[in-house]
Amino acid sequence: DQQVKQNSPSLSVQEGRISILNCDYTNSMFDYFLWYKKYPAEGPTFLISISSIKDKNEDGRFTVFLNKSAKHLSLHIVPSQPGDSAVYFCAASAQNAGNMLTFGGGTRLMVKP
Amino acid sequence: DSGVTQTPKHLITATGQRVTLRCSPRSGDLSVYWYQQSLDQGLQFLIQYYNGEERAKGNILERFSAQQFPDLHSELNLSSLELGDSALYFCASSVAGGQGLYGYTFGSGTRLTVV
Repeated sequence: DQQVKQNSPSLSVQEGRISILNCDYTNSMFDYFLWYKKYPAEGPTFLISISSIKDKNEDGRFTVFLNKSAKHLSLHIVPSQPGDSAVYFCAASAQNAGNMLTFGGGTRLMVKP
Repeated sequence: DSGVTQTPKHLITATGQRVTLRCSPRSGDLSVYWYQQSLDQGLQFLIQYYNGEERAKGNILERFSAQQFPDLHSELNLSSLELGDSALYFCASSVAGGQGLYGYTFGSGTRLTVV
């Protein structure tokens, strides 16, 4: 039972354009949603997060949108840069489950110069 | 450097063998988590320890076990290894049982290859 899904295994975007990465979830008890970025041969690093009481959180070029009714979140990167090329994982956690992170399968983003 | 140290970085071993992966959490973190990533797939949660006690279990095989020591470092033991156990094994840590908006800090992983 995959509670967090990233349906696009890969995404290719031109430098300077917007990258939109999507994530769907099934567990309505999730309180927090996070995005991690992973380069080859490195561990995932925290990128941005959002609480279930908000619908948008912005940090520089990165914005996360949450649509609770659709159980959908997305990560927007504007403008995209070649250094953004990595695998992006969305993750979710519930306070009543000890904030255990459940990860999606990841989306490989390639930003072309 | 994330502050979470995993050793070794690479491990090649034969089927049927046993290996131990080690993790030192970030200073001040009490919780340690182990995740497995196979073949560019998602991160599968294996097990969590908090201050020496097992806190949660995920999809961990019976051939696998873990522990957290008084100095808070953790070891993941994998025995009777099979080809399908080849994967990246990540350790992560957090101050308490997960920090909601801040998640965990991950180490750089141990790549296990079973031949």
